[in-house]
Amino acid sequence: GDSVTQMEGPVTLSEEAFLTINCTYTATGYPSLFWYVQYPGEGLQLLLKATKADDKGSNKGFEATYRKETTSFHLEKGSVQVSDSAVYFCALSDLTGGYQKVTFGTGTKLQVIP
Amino acid sequence: EAGVTQFPSHSVIEKGQTVTLRCDPISGHDNLYWYRRVMGKEIKFLLHFVKESKQDESGMPNNRFLAERTGGTYSTLKVQPAELEDSGVYFCASSQGWANSPLHFGNGTRLTVT
Repeated sequence: GDSVTQMEGPVTLSEEAFLTINCTYTATGYPSLFWYVQYPGEGLQLLLKATKADDKGSNKGFEATYRKETTSFHLEKGSVQVSDSAVYFCALSDLTGGYQKVTFGTGTKLQVIP
Repeated sequence: EAGVTQFPSHSVIEKGQTVTLRCDPISGHDNLYWYRRVMGKEIKFLLHFVKESKQDESGMPNNRFLAERTGGTYSTLKVQPAELEDSGVYFCASSQGWANSPLHFGNGTRLTVT
């Protein structure tokens, strides 16, 4: 079945540091890929997505590129802020029986210190 | 538009008791999903409704869990009797009827079984 593997946290960075959170996936079909974020006390929010190979999703300074050859979708940000502290989930969506099914990774907690 | 709402936001119950979680999807969304995150692990799929019908309930852990979606509107997830391992955050998500429409998540219900 489908699965998503992402780097374990927590990740602690100083403000303005460069962020990379690795994510790889296995899927039987041709999935769409996502990063979701959960800020403290809030629900899951879609951060960015990519629907086909070589697509780059971007939002709020975060980027991730759909790499089919390496089955990866690593999340990057050039300069993190304290407000980026959250849990980040990599996910894929595949069509099963005509309906999409989303599979998540374990989440990576990011803490940014001033 | 109003987002996906879940309540309660927190529930603390004793082992053996019953708890019912509720999810109100975005109006007009045919698809409704339940997911669960046990502490530190991945967000796992529980089940998927299309309107009032269960499309996929392959993720339901056991028969102590019962989900319903009366009239294709709100959904409830009942756990009876609750066990310690049921503790976690239960997320609900909804989406429109077309394939690959984005999932909109609620804030989740944090369930603690003591």
